[in-house]
Amino acid sequence: QQKVQQSPESLSVPEGGMASFNCTSSDRNFQYFWWYRQHSGEGPKALMSIFSDGDKKEGRFTAHLNKASLHVSLHIRDSQPSDSALYFCAARSYGGSGNKLIFGTGTLLSVKP
Amino acid sequence: EAAVTQSPRSKVAVTGGKVTLSCHQTNNHDYMYWYRQDTGHGLRLIHYSYVADSTEKGDIPDGYKASRPSQENFSLILELASLSQTAVYFCASSDPTGEGYEQYFGPGTRLTVL
Repeated sequence: QQKVQQSPESLSVPEGGMASFNCTSSDRNFQYFWWYRQHSGEGPKALMSIFSDGDKKEGRFTAHLNKASLHVSLHIRDSQPSDSALYFCAARSYGGSGNKLIFGTGTLLSVKP
Repeated sequence: EAAVTQSPRSKVAVTGGKVTLSCHQTNNHDYMYWYRQDTGHGLRLIHYSYVADSTEKGDIPDGYKASRPSQENFSLILELASLSQTAVYFCASSDPTGEGYEQYFGPGTRLTVL
């Protein structure tokens, strides 16, 4: 059973458009969330973290967390072709052993010039 | 910037053969992890380690062994490779003192078992 569900599976947006990703956890122990990005042929790289309810903005990227509904989202404004990649949501439980992250299945983003 | 390297970058193995994937980190991180990536499953944790000479089972350890001979090195061993183990394998490291325990990933090893 996947504890971290992501949607959509894939997404296509025009250059300059807004891309939005959603992630829902089924485990209330998950308190810390990360967004990772993976370009083709590379390893995943952390994009941003969010640990508190509300919004967190870093440049063109905004993450939103609602712990009550176990929902986290990521929005990319002014999307660029270089943003085309696989995006993962990852969750970690508070005090979890081994600092383990549980990853979602990912959303494949394609930004069309 | 944190650096995690993996070798080999790709490998073709025969069913029933032994495969060893290697990972080296220069981050001075205590924690290291092995994941496999399959289409539709995201990243799944196989084994991890938080100190040299000790390893822990992750979520899908069956068919895999791990070895952590030093803080810098972490190996994944497939004693009897099977077709179902064809996947891309990623190693990662993290610092338990860093905020949120960000994990730093290597470039991956593409393993094909024939």
